[in-house]
Amino acid sequence: GDSVTQMEGPVTLSEEAFLTINCTYTATGYPSLFWYVQYPGEGLQLLLKATKADDKGSNKGFEATYRKETTSFHLEKGSVQVSDSAVYFCALFLYNFNKFYFGSGTKLNVKP
Amino acid sequence: DTEVTQTPKHLVMGMTNKKSLKCEQHMGHRAMYWYKQKAKKPPELMFVYSYEKLSINESVPSRFSPECPNSSLLNLHLHALQPEDSALYLCASSQDQAGTANTGELFFGEGSRLTVL
Repeated sequence: GDSVTQMEGPVTLSEEAFLTINCTYTATGYPSLFWYVQYPGEGLQLLLKATKADDKGSNKGFEATYRKETTSFHLEKGSVQVSDSAVYFCALFLYNFNKFYFGSGTKLNVKP
Repeated sequence: DTEVTQTPKHLVMGMTNKKSLKCEQHMGHRAMYWYKQKAKKPPELMFVYSYEKLSINESVPSRFSPECPNSSLLNLHLHALQPEDSALYLCASSQDQAGTANTGELFFGEGSRLTVL
């Protein structure tokens, strides 16, 4: 069935380290793909999105490229900050079925 | 700043109480959602309203009763809840659940943290 799989956390990095959070999906059709971020005690905020293959979403130094051939949408950032500590959710939307699926979330801890 | 506003931010209630959670958006979105999120888990869909009509109920117990008075407002009425219902309740909206321009992006409020004693 349709689903999103993301790497287990927590991920612990030192400030200025390179970040990759893996996300792969299974979908019937052509989904839109998203990364949402949830800071402690808050709701979810859209971080970036891509609506078709080879699109690159980017925001606040984060990037992710919609890879149809590998069904992936990995999140990357070149230099993380302590303020990036949060839970990151990969998600997909299937327009034909009006279905929205979240991954399980990956907690990122960035240490000074 | 979020454009989806939820009240109250925190709610503590007993198992015999009746309370309501409220959600408001002014982005002209025609689909609104209630999600439940337990600690360290992704949000779980509860209800979807599309054009003010209930379109999806994910087999939610009747002690949760949604209401959509108009296109900008969404309520969740709570009655006879159980301690296991304690969670963060998130409201979200999207442009149009089924429109051709809809890329599916959800806009979330900050949530209402519910504790049932």
